[in-house]
Amino acid sequence: EAGVVQSPRYKIIEKKQPVAFWCNPISGHNTLYWYLQNLGQGPELLIRYENEEAVDDSQLPKDRFSAERLKGVDSTLKIQPAELGDSAVYLCASSLETGGDAPAEAFFGQGTRLTVV
Amino acid sequence: AQSVTQLGSHVSVSEGALVLLRCNYSSSVPPYLFWYVQYPNQGLQLLLKYTSAATLVKGINGFEAEFKKSETSFHLTKPSAHMSDAAEYFCAVSAYFGNEKLTFGTGTRLTIIP
Repeated sequence: EAGVVQSPRYKIIEKKQPVAFWCNPISGHNTLYWYLQNLGQGPELLIRYENEEAVDDSQLPKDRFSAERLKGVDSTLKIQPAELGDSAVYLCASSLETGGDAPAEAFFGQGTRLTVV
Repeated sequence: AQSVTQLGSHVSVSEGALVLLRCNYSSSVPPYLFWYVQYPNQGLQLLLKYTSAATLVKGINGFEAEFKKSETSFHLTKPSAHMSDAAEYFCAVSAYFGNEKLTFGTGTRLTIIP
């Protein structure tokens, strides 16, 4: 079974340029997450989707970040314009939430390492 | 609100020695607790999780963790370290009902000394 696929793996851009990251979750997973991981830190949630609905985007800097999950499958995270401080690893994860008492396991992709110069 | 604190950003142990990575949590509701491992340039992989069924949780690769409510701790242990255990380890907490968001600690980098 294929895991969570992210592309590109690495991206170097100049500040003020736009950038987009793509995520293909595990087939059938209804919940998708985007996390930001700064160097030496743990991941922090940016946005969580249940199917195509963004149910938690409280930590997404909406002035420059946007995300979409069309048809409740693939997702794209965009930054426009990028700033030096956006250099980090962007992780995508997915899970199959069935409404039980315990949260389902989240499976993570390898991440996209963004460097803004 | 939930949070976790990982004591020790770097831990070094000799191959074959006991591994102990510390995690303390803060939660206003009964928590779910997780340990994830991250190898260089890789995503996170779930090692084990506590969901209130049993306080001693066994995970993959010989790791286990014990939930201690009185100490608000969920420390990760492995009796005998292997070179392949060298990685970054993250403790995470999630609320009991409704909110599946994971709140991660800052991580502990484990180095194995040959």
